Amino acid sequence: DQQVKQNSPSLSVQEGRISILNCDYTNSMFDYFLWYKKYPAEGPTFLISISSIKDKNEDGRFTVFLNKSAKHLSLHIVPSQPGDSAVYFCAASVYNTDKLIFGTGTRLQVFP
Amino acid sequence: DADVTQTPRNRITKTGKRIMLECSQTKGHDRMYWYRQDPGLGLQLIYYSFDVKDINKGEISDGYSVSRQAQAKFSLSLESAIPNQTALYFCATSDSQGHGYTFGSGTRLTVV
Repeated sequence: DQQVKQNSPSLSVQEGRISILNCDYTNSMFDYFLWYKKYPAEGPTFLISISSIKDKNEDGRFTVFLNKSAKHLSLHIVPSQPGDSAVYFCAASVYNTDKLIFGTGTRLQVFP
Repeated sequence: DADVTQTPRNRITKTGKRIMLECSQTKGHDRMYWYRQDPGLGLQLIYYSFDVKDINKGEISDGYSVSRQAQAKFSLSLESAIPNQTALYFCATSDSQGHGYTFGSGTRLTVV
């Protein structure tokens, strides 16, 4: 049972354009959502997070949107840069457990 | 030095062999985790530990065991390796909030 789903395994975007990565979840007990970025031969690194009490969090070129009624969150990268090319994992934690449940990842390629 | 160090980085072993993957951290975090990554399946939690005396099974603990030798060290063992345990293994740590994980660079394990 996949509680966190990233239905797009890959995304290709031109440099300078917006990248939108999507994530759906099924567990209404999730209270915190995070995005991690992973380059080849490296471990995932934390990118941005959002609490379930908010609907938007912004950090520079990265913005995460949360739609609780739809159980959907998205990561917007504007403008996209070649260095953003990586695999992006959506993750969620259940209230009071501190365990993270990860999605399957979306490979983003930003081309010139 | 990396905050979270995993050894070895790569390992090829034969079916039926016992193998140990090691993880050490300099973050001073109490919480440590072992995940495996398979193509198309994202990151799946194997075991986690919230302090030296606390060990918990994750989603896919069968065939694995762990040891928390000290706050800074958390090792993962495959008692009798089998080919479907071929994967990329990640160790991670977090602080008491549990949200911002720091990952190691991973161990690529191949069981032949």
